[in-house]
Amino acid sequence: DAGVIQSPRHEVTEMGQEVTLRCKPISGHNSLFWYRQTMMRGLELLIYFNNNVPIDDSGMPEDRFSAKMPNASFSTLKIQPSEPRDSAVYFCASSGDTMNTEAFFGQGTRLTVV
Amino acid sequence: AQSVAQPEDQVNVAEGNPLTVKCTYSVSGNPYLFWYVQYPNRGLQFLLKYITGDNLVKGSYGFEAEFNKSQTSFHLKKPSALVSDSALYFCAVSAFSGGYNKLIFGAGTRLAVHP
Repeated sequence: DAGVIQSPRHEVTEMGQEVTLRCKPISGHNSLFWYRQTMMRGLELLIYFNNNVPIDDSGMPEDRFSAKMPNASFSTLKIQPSEPRDSAVYFCASSGDTMNTEAFFGQGTRLTVV
Repeated sequence: AQSVAQPEDQVNVAEGNPLTVKCTYSVSGNPYLFWYVQYPNRGLQFLLKYITGDNLVKGSYGFEAEFNKSQTSFHLKKPSALVSDSALYFCAVSAFSGGYNKLIFGAGTRLAVHP
């Protein structure tokens, strides 16, 4: 398996534009997580899905952020409209269903909003 | 509330010396504990985990961690540090919430190994 695949690796966009980040989890994993990492706030859990269903989106900062998982092999995180304070590295991770299974992370998308 | 604390923002150690990166946790029920490492411009990589059994867990790259139930700690250790071990280290606990499990991460500790 190629691991968790995220695209794009880097994204530079202007304030007000829509940004879509993509993630392909590891095949067979039931749980998918979106994290945001910044120097100031560290690693924050934004949302997680189980069997394609959003379970906890309490970490999503505002209505400008939305996430979908239309099937077991694809998820998107969308920011509309984007703002400079959204600049961060966004990670996707996937894991099996049980509490003793580790999560596997993608390489991340470095988003810069100017 | 279930949580993880990494009390040190940074740990400095000389190459060849032993290293310890501290982690304490708070969970209800049995803890499932993990360590991850993040190298610059990379995602987090799994190092090791404690599920049950032996309190000393061995993982990748010569790292090990000691589970201490009475102190609710899960410190990461390595007998002899390498410069290449310099990275950001995260402790995590698997928490059961809302009928599902999710990983809760600590704030991270930056390890700097000096030649």
